[in-house]
Amino acid sequence: QKEVEQNSGPLSVPEGAIASLNCTYSDRGSQSFFWYRQYSGKSPELIMFIYSNGDKEDGRFTAQLNKASQYVSLLIRDSQPSDSATYLCAVTGARYSGGGADGLTFGKGTHLIIQP
Amino acid sequence: KAGVTQTPRYLIKTRGQQVTLSCSPISGHRSVSWYQQTPGQGLQFLFEYFSETQRNKGNFPGRFSGRQFSNSRSEMNVSTLELGDSALYLCASSLRVNTEAFFGQGTRLTVV
Repeated sequence: QKEVEQNSGPLSVPEGAIASLNCTYSDRGSQSFFWYRQYSGKSPELIMFIYSNGDKEDGRFTAQLNKASQYVSLLIRDSQPSDSATYLCAVTGARYSGGGADGLTFGKGTHLIIQP
Repeated sequence: KAGVTQTPRYLIKTRGQQVTLSCSPISGHRSVSWYQQTPGQGLQFLFEYFSETQRNKGNFPGRFSGRQFSNSRSEMNVSTLELGDSALYLCASSLRVNTEAFFGQGTRLTVV
């Protein structure tokens, strides 16, 4: 059974600091990795995607992928109170043990709180 | 550019009834996927369509079905509703299967 694991938190970070969110996945066949942000009562919003090992930066966000360790992370620099949300890690390209390809598999999310 | 549009936004249905949810993807996107979100289980994949064909399917019972039309719009149907089907149903569109997906606002279904 394919799994995506995240620490549920809450993760509390002071304003202006770096928030580090982590995610591990079970299937080595996974090919694409995504980070979504979800505010309470809203739908998930795509903030980063990464397909290759290494770092990918976009503004204050950096996604890091290590396929050998089956680990993906998201760094948020200069954290702002508006970054307070649940961050969902999603993985695709893996296969269920029952056969057949499948869509995005999500972790349960990490609740991030930025303290002013 | 318009985003993903889901209708209706809210639904209340009685156990045993059926329901149809609609999703219009971002213009030019040909892949539409559906997800169920509940507090206990989180976001779970239902199925994905591309060019009117179901390409992927999650581990949900056959009561959950879907289809995609030639204009890429998609519908999801749940028959014989159960209390446990109460959830936020999210539709996401992407250019191709298993690429970056953009979510609609969701349909909040309550089964009583």
